[in-house]
Amino acid sequence: DTGVSQDPRHKITKRGQNVTFRCDPISEHNRLYWYRQTLGQGPEFLTYFQNEAQLEKSRLLSDRFSAERPKGSFSTLEIQRTEQGDSAMYLCASSLRRGSTDTQYFGPGTRLTVL
Amino acid sequence: SQQGEEDPQALSIQEGENATMNCSYKTSINNLQWYRQNSGRGLVHLILIRSNEREKHSGRLRVTLDTSKKSSSLLITASRAADTASYFCATAAILTGGGNKLTFGTGTQLKVEL
Repeated sequence: DTGVSQDPRHKITKRGQNVTFRCDPISEHNRLYWYRQTLGQGPEFLTYFQNEAQLEKSRLLSDRFSAERPKGSFSTLEIQRTEQGDSAMYLCASSLRRGSTDTQYFGPGTRLTVL
Repeated sequence: SQQGEEDPQALSIQEGENATMNCSYKTSINNLQWYRQNSGRGLVHLILIRSNEREKHSGRLRVTLDTSKKSSSLLITASRAADTASYFCATAAILTGGGNKLTFGTGTQLKVEL
């Protein structure tokens, strides 16, 4: 079963360092999403790609955050100059267009801890 | 920001009992979805109900939607220990290109005891 995969699963970094996460969506899925989840809360939307185009970005995505999906397949999320408030689970999801509904399949997430 | 809240925040029941979780939301929606999350399998899509639907069933799950009250409920019948997880409702808004922005609630932690 080739579901959504994310790498790494865990990342511990020091404040001020840059980190990059990777997401590999389900192969035929043209839509890809990033969400962030903090302890005790539901996931919050960060950004969305359709193929290689980034079509929506949340205001949560400060200028320290950048996401790419260069060939419309895998995606990367980079956080520059990490802060302790960036500690969270970063979730990636993908979907395939079927009418107006869009069932998103989530990966296992990357848990980031900023010391 | 969270769209709304699930109620209750935590629920503990015995195996075989039914579990009901409620969700309230604030804005107009295209559809509402329920997800389950546990440490073993991550976030898993359970069921989707469109804004023009009032009730939907899938196996042991029953979802209702009342758009006039901006609320939904998830009923799990004949619960099993494996149903122990956090349950989230998520409202969907249509994005440019047709994608769905999901806005999740705060979740209900369900514990099913043997």
